[in-house]
Amino acid sequence: SQTIHQWPATLVQPVGSPLSLECTVEGTSNPNLYWYRQAAGRGLQLLFYSVGIGQISSEVPQNLSASRPQDRQFILSSKKLLLSDSGFYLCAWSVGASRPTGELFFGEGSRLTVL
Amino acid sequence: GDSVTQMEGPVTLSEEAFLTINCTYTATGYPSLFWYVQYPGEGLQLLLKATKADDKGSNKGFEATYRKETTSFHLEKGSVQVSDSAVYFCALSAHTGNQFYFGTGTSLTVIP
Repeated sequence: SQTIHQWPATLVQPVGSPLSLECTVEGTSNPNLYWYRQAAGRGLQLLFYSVGIGQISSEVPQNLSASRPQDRQFILSSKKLLLSDSGFYLCAWSVGASRPTGELFFGEGSRLTVL
Repeated sequence: GDSVTQMEGPVTLSEEAFLTINCTYTATGYPSLFWYVQYPGEGLQLLLKATKADDKGSNKGFEATYRKETTSFHLEKGSVQVSDSAVYFCALSAHTGNQFYFGTGTSLTVIP
């Protein structure tokens, strides 16, 4: 069966420090991968998605970047965190575009607090 | 572009009350529609889905019907329980399948 893991689960970082959140998927090949952010009291904002290794689409220009160094690994990074980067970050995957009606499967989430 | 608009919360209901959470969408082509649920401190889980017009998704007593004529996918449950307290998200998947768009979420609290 397929599983998705992301870490760390909780992170407290000072303003200006770097960030690295990792996400891995097991049990499937060539998934579509996504990073969402959920700010307090707000909905889900799509940050990045990837349909293959090295292919990253950015939905919102900002302080963050994403990379996909391996087929089932998705990394969210920042060189210098801002207070506004605080939030709950969710990694997700879906079956590749050959099944366009597929659902999203979410990781457990990573709560980032920038102080 | 594609988007989802859902009823704002928070919603507070007594146990065994009837629940409706409204969701409307804008999309080109024929999207798939979803309801996700998020329990406190957790990621999102799929609650139900519908992939074409007039389909009805159902799970755990929840139902939603894909209405193309009104571009809606309202979530309903006849009798809510305390354990249904969560945040509910309406979402659509564009016909290309690569992008998913979510509503802002509706917080539901069910009191005994």
